[in-house]
Amino acid sequence: LAKTTQPISMDSYEGQEVNITCSHNNIATNDYITWYQQFPSQGPRFIIQGYKTKVTNEVASLFIPADRKSSTLSLPRVSLSDTAVYYCLVGVASGGSYIPTFGRGTSLIVHP
Amino acid sequence: EPEVTQTPSHQVTQMGQEVILRCVPISNHLYFYWYRQILGQKVEFLVSFYNNEISEKSEIFDDQFSVERPDGSNFTLKIRSTKLEDSAMYFCASMRQADLSYTFGSGTRLTVV
Repeated sequence: LAKTTQPISMDSYEGQEVNITCSHNNIATNDYITWYQQFPSQGPRFIIQGYKTKVTNEVASLFIPADRKSSTLSLPRVSLSDTAVYYCLVGVASGGSYIPTFGRGTSLIVHP
Repeated sequence: EPEVTQTPSHQVTQMGQEVILRCVPISNHLYFYWYRQILGQKVEFLVSFYNNEISEKSEIFDDQFSVERPDGSNFTLKIRSTKLEDSAMYFCASMRQADLSYTFGSGTRLTVV
């Protein structure tokens, strides 16, 4: 299972763009990259998933370089409600054998 | 948007008692999971369930724990003879095969006193 490395914490201000980078040097060919968000006392919430290049949805963008050894979650114009822990997960589900493994994540604090 | 529903939201139990945590996964999902998160710590995998049987379990999931899908909709986690260190948030999740995304419930906060 590919190990991921993320910054422990980040600070930002309302209205700014936030980029959180995750390193996954030993990502396998079949692995997808998935990001989750967790608010205190709530379950993790799926944000975005990608395999290569760029993926965008209504919440975020995910940038993946050609070597796929890292990925960057981009949150445009953050607000106070984006204060949460963000997790980068790498793996692939096959017959239910893939188990999402959460690291410590990145604790993002958005200031007024 | 479909949700994973967990009940109760908070349970307080005495040490040594048995508890059953309940989950209703999203109806067309086939893979189900239990995770726990001790306060201030990581989200930890406990067990995965597919086709009415356990497919994977962690070393945390010992004989004290069991899971069941009694009626085709509910998915339960039973903890026998609870210990103080079982106090945690317990999250149920189900997976959508189309995009391998997991939907987590809002959790049950278990407090063992």
